[in-house]
Amino acid sequence: AQTVTQSQPEMSVQEAETVTLSCTYDTSESNYYLFWYKQPPSRQMILVIRQEAYKQQNATENRFSVNFQKAAKSFSLKISDSQLGDTAMYFCAFVYGGSQGNLIFGKGTKLSVKP
Amino acid sequence: EAQVTQNPRYLITVTGKKLTVTCSQNMNHEYMSWYRQDPGLGLRQIYYSMNVEVTDKGDVPEGYKVSRKEKRNFPLILESPSPNQTSLYFCASSERARNINYGYTFGSGTRLTVV
Repeated sequence: AQTVTQSQPEMSVQEAETVTLSCTYDTSESNYYLFWYKQPPSRQMILVIRQEAYKQQNATENRFSVNFQKAAKSFSLKISDSQLGDTAMYFCAFVYGGSQGNLIFGKGTKLSVKP
Repeated sequence: EAQVTQNPRYLITVTGKKLTVTCSQNMNHEYMSWYRQDPGLGLRQIYYSMNVEVTDKGDVPEGYKVSRKEKRNFPLILESPSPNQTSLYFCASSERARNINYGYTFGSGTRLTVV
């Protein structure tokens, strides 16, 4: 069975600082994709960043980047220059290529950015 | 604008009273799915549909029904709601199951309370 684990239920960071959210996953598949979703208080689910397992290069999107360690099955999200608007719940998610499209989510990390 | 539309946004109902949460997408997506989100549990898949008239159970299907008579619509039906179905529900879609590597487009969520 595929599982996604987010070990930090809550985190806080000062505005303008950098924070890293952890995610580990368990799978025996070789073809898979990883995602980070952001859920602000509006509760909309917003795709932040995605990573293909076959790519060694870590994905980046502006202030958001990942540290993808395939052997360790780790997929952490780094947020640089944190802004108040980054306050949200963050979900790590996984899907493998032969699945029926079931995106498997971690339990989430609640991030608070403090002024 | 490409989007997934869910209605209603909020719903309070009584135990046993049948209800339907509607979901519609305007992107001609083949794949649609329902998730429920509960504190400390993340998002869990209820049902999914690979295409018109093709539906299957996700991880937590008990107490729910779905139908996919048209490509754009994927309603979630609770025939006899119970308090343990109080949750935040999300509809999501993707071009097709094989393209889940690009993630889902989510609706804005339905907050259901069963008393």
